[in-house]
Amino acid sequence: ELKVEQNPLFLSMQEGKNYTIYCNYSTTSDRLYWYRQDPGKSLESLFVLLSNGAVKQEGRLMASLDTKARLSTLHITAAVHDLSATYFCAVDLSGTYKYIFGTGTRLKVLA
Amino acid sequence: EPEVTQTPSHQVTQMGQEVILRCVPISNHLYFYWYRQILGQKVEFLVSFYNNEISEKSEIFDDQFSVERPDGSNFTLKIRSTKLEDSAMYFCASSDHLPGQAGGGANVLTFGAGSRLTVL
Repeated sequence: ELKVEQNPLFLSMQEGKNYTIYCNYSTTSDRLYWYRQDPGKSLESLFVLLSNGAVKQEGRLMASLDTKARLSTLHITAAVHDLSATYFCAVDLSGTYKYIFGTGTRLKVLA
Repeated sequence: EPEVTQTPSHQVTQMGQEVILRCVPISNHLYFYWYRQILGQKVEFLVSFYNNEISEKSEIFDDQFSVERPDGSNFTLKIRSTKLEDSAMYFCASSDHLPGQAGGGANVLTFGAGSRLTVL
């Protein structure tokens, strides 16, 4: 069964600092997605990573994928308060119609 | 921008009652999903649906749950006899891409705003 785990689950960081969120998944997949959820809101797509070594950047966020290690990272550079949200990675499993989300990382950026 | 619409936004029901949550996916999307999120916790896969039938379902999606696409636009989730533990936010999502297609492109899900279900 596909399991997708993130760490840390909670992250409180000061503005201006850097940090990395990790997403591990248990079975082979070459597609990984990152979503953002603001409190009380729905999920919005952030990044799509479609191959080993893929790297995507948007503003202060950069996502990467290592399919051999079954690991994706979401790196935050010089955090600002607006980045406070819960971040989910997700994997869709080849040959199935399952699309499984990770455990989520709740990020709080302190001013 | 096209969006996924869910109704109701909040429903309160008594334990044992039937509930129907409704979703209108994006019009040219063919793949539909229901997810559940309990109080800001993880987003749990319930079911995927394509071509008028269930494609995959999780162990959560037991006999009390059912889905259908009654009229070509709505996509509904029915909970036959609600339990206290069914209290959660239910999200509908749709996509235009075949999920799990090896070597395929991106399968980005577009989510609705959610329906909060409170079972008393």
